[in-house]
Amino acid sequence: EPEVTQTPSHQVTQMGQEVILRCVPISNHLYFYWYRQILGQKVEFLVSFYNNEISEKSEIFDDQFSVERPDGSNFTLKIRSTKLEDSAMYFCASRSAGNSPLHFGNGTRLTVT
Amino acid sequence: ILNVEQSPQSLHVQEGDSTNFTCSFPSSNFYALHWYRWETAKSPEALFVMTLNGDEKKKGRISATLNTKEGYSYLYIKGSQPEDSATYLCAFIGFGNEKLTFGTGTRLTIIP
Repeated sequence: EPEVTQTPSHQVTQMGQEVILRCVPISNHLYFYWYRQILGQKVEFLVSFYNNEISEKSEIFDDQFSVERPDGSNFTLKIRSTKLEDSAMYFCASRSAGNSPLHFGNGTRLTVT
Repeated sequence: ILNVEQSPQSLHVQEGDSTNFTCSFPSSNFYALHWYRWETAKSPEALFVMTLNGDEKKKGRISATLNTKEGYSYLYIKGSQPEDSATYLCAFIGFGNEKLTFGTGTRLTIIP
């Protein structure tokens, strides 16, 4: 069965550094998402992406965040200047059209020191 | 800000017993309600996508009901097994939106 894959599984970075989290969604899916979960808190929406552009974003997704789908297969989340509070598990997800469910990747644990 | 609430936050159930928990969501502008199971060290896995008021869905020993007029959904597990131990998440989609807003989850532990 096709899967959403995320790399790396764990990323440690220093405050102020840029990080890029990578995802390969399922190939025939149309909608792409980033969610995150800070330890002990709920899963939070960051951004959705459809038809090569951001379709929705949350208040968390400020100017420090950006997403790209550079080549039709990868879907990346960039954090320009990481803060301690960006430490979280970041999940990529994708789905096909209509009322299809999300398919999640295994997540990238980001630790900002 | 959308309020999607789940209760209880955590639950311990004896193996073999049946259990249920609740997801409440805004009753206006409803489009769909999803249920996911999230096992430790894995990614969330879809259980159900529910769209119509009165929907009942079933997958093995797990079933769910939906009341969009009053804004709640119940998830039932019959004859709990150790492999049912997981966090169960519901997620609401409003009409015209694409994002899923998740509840806080119910962490279920089955006691052998």
